[in-house]
Order: sequence, then C-alpha cells, then structure tokens
Amino acid sequence: DTGVSQDPRHKITKRGQNVTFRCDPISEHNRLYWYRQTLGQGPEFLTYFQNEAQLEKSRLLSDRFSAERPKGSFSTLEIQRTEQGDSAMYLCASSLGSWGLTKNIQYFGAGTRLSVL
Amino acid sequence: GQQLNQSPQSMFIQEGEDVSMNCTSSSIFNTWLWYKQDPGEGPVLLIALYKAGELTSNGRLTAQFGITRKDSFLNISASIPSDVGIYFCAGRVFYGGSQGNLIFGKGTKLSVKP
Repeated sequence: DTGVSQDPRHKITKRGQNVTFRCDPISEHNRLYWYRQTLGQGPEFLTYFQNEAQLEKSRLLSDRFSAERPKGSFSTLEIQRTEQGDSAMYLCASSLGSWGLTKNIQYFGAGTRLSVL
Repeated sequence: GQQLNQSPQSMFIQEGEDVSMNCTSSSIFNTWLWYKQDPGEGPVLLIALYKAGELTSNGRLTAQFGITRKDSFLNISASIPSDVGIYFCAGRVFYGGSQGNLIFGKGTKLSVKP
C-alpha cells in the first residue's frame, strides 16, 4: 500500500501562468477529493470524484480551476491564470465508499505547495 | 455555512502532561474525525467517531462524540515530544445531494514548553 501520492510537492510559478497538479489515490479507492489549505487554516473542500464522475464542486472552485479523473484512477487539478491568492497547499484525499456509507474514511496525500509570485 | 470552532488554538506541553482539546459546531454532524498534521505533510487520521456518545481510544489518544452531536473532544495522555504538531477536528454530515465532505476546524497547535 503506497498511500496517496501527489506530484509535485512544491510548485513556484509567476502570476498568470497555468499549473497542473497530479494525485494518485490508494489503488482500490473509488473516491478522490481535492482540498485547499492556507496558512493557519484547516483544509477546505474543493471537489470530489466517484470513479471518473465529478459529483460535487465547492463554491471555492472558481472557473479558473478544473479537475479531471479521466479513467477513475489518478486525478489532475489545473489552475489557469494563477493569482497570488491561489498560493496554498493543495491536498488530495481518497476513500473507499458508496452513497450514504458512513464509514468513508479519507486518507490524505502530503500535498502540493503552490507559491504564486 | 457550517463552521467548526476548535480550541485552544495553541498550547504548550511538557513531556508527561495530559492534553485536552475540543471542537464545537453550530450544526449536527454524524461523523467526527481527528487528524494530526506535521509540517509539510498531509493530515493523518487518528480517530474516527460515528455515533453520539461514542468513546474511542487509540493508544494514548481518546476521543468522544458528544451526545448533542455538535461537539467532540480529544485527549492525549502522558504526552511525549513526538506529539507536537497541529491537530484538526473534522466533521461530516450527509444532507441533500452532498456526500458529506469533511469540514475542518482551524487546528490546535501543540508545542513543547521551552
């Protein structure tokens, strides 16, 4: 069991550039989540997938953000035209669950820290 | 929106001391989770609680799901240096079309007394 893997661990970019992050979930997990965490705060939910379907998006996910999980395995999160306010840690989590299942534990990756200059 | 109030924000511990922290919510949750996060890493699950009144232990850690379903506490007994880090509570509720994504508190930062 290799856990949730995220790449890259750190990304520094200039304002206006596009960035893409990758998440590889725990292999048998059908659900994948993206969260954003800023300094001194807890993680905030962005979006989640069940298999390849994106089932829920937070209001935090502006039009510049897009997430995909094309084959129901790994996922990518792209931010277009980055702004300084996008600087944060982007966390991916995965779980094994079905609709209404109570014990749907989310396991987190180490995150990608984005710095927008 | 739903918010979790986690307290204290920070605390200093001396090795061997017991530690207590709690979370309260304005809404009812049907799951409470406690995570620990070390610098530069993602949160790691410590304890999961699923029923009101449930008391669960994991080694020196004990957590309880409040009877009102609006609060939870985490106790650490006989703290050791590796307990330092940031502890987050997270709650989940199933409602409407949501699959109950996690809502996190702002964290309790545990440091060692100088």
